Amino acid sequence: RKEVEQDPGPFNVPEGATVAFNCTYSNSASQSFFWYRQDCRKEPKLLMSVYSSGNEDGRFTAQLNRASQYISLLIRDSKLSDSATYLCVVNERTYKYIFGTGTRLKVLA
Amino acid sequence: ETGVTQTPRHLVMGMTNKKSLKCEQHLGHNAMYWYKQSAKKPLELMFVYSLEERVENNSVPSRFSPECPNSSHLFLHLHTLQPEDSALYLCASSQDIGGRDTEAFFGQGTRLTVV
Repeated sequence: RKEVEQDPGPFNVPEGATVAFNCTYSNSASQSFFWYRQDCRKEPKLLMSVYSSGNEDGRFTAQLNRASQYISLLIRDSKLSDSATYLCVVNERTYKYIFGTGTRLKVLA
Repeated sequence: ETGVTQTPRHLVMGMTNKKSLKCEQHLGHNAMYWYKQSAKKPLELMFVYSLEERVENNSVPSRFSPECPNSSHLFLHLHTLQPEDSALYLCASSQDIGGRDTEAFFGQGTRLTVV
């Protein structure tokens, strides 16, 4: 089983749509969780950390389900500029940031 | 800009060449990382330095040799690479290793092509 698994997509959605991605992780000892965004041929950039109680940043909502070992990212009112690859990242409270392969999102006009 | 700078941005090298990748962070962080990103694969951790000491060498071939002269600078020395080493090499830094909710900040990467 992969340490961090994501559906690679692509998810093709119209502007204004709501889209959700899930990510599962295998190590129950994982402590920190993040969503990064990576544009084509660019470096990953932190989108948001994921907290146990769930957190929201504008149109983006992240949730953590420790019992089922998954995290989710919800994007409301999708914009063309949201088109990117979204990377799920898990940290076991060590130096190891474990990355998923990413989920590609295409927002269509 | 993220505060992590990598040079060069692009590099083409022959299999017999020796080159170095440079990373500099201006964030006052104590930990620095080298990652490799190949097409269709997740980022692979290569090396980790904490306070200039290597804490991880993730089964990386010896043709990749890291150097961390101080907490702000990290190098990756390359020699006798193979075409399959062509990838995006990303440097990252974080405040410390092992800190809860401590995110990593990435440089823009060096796109390496081995011919």
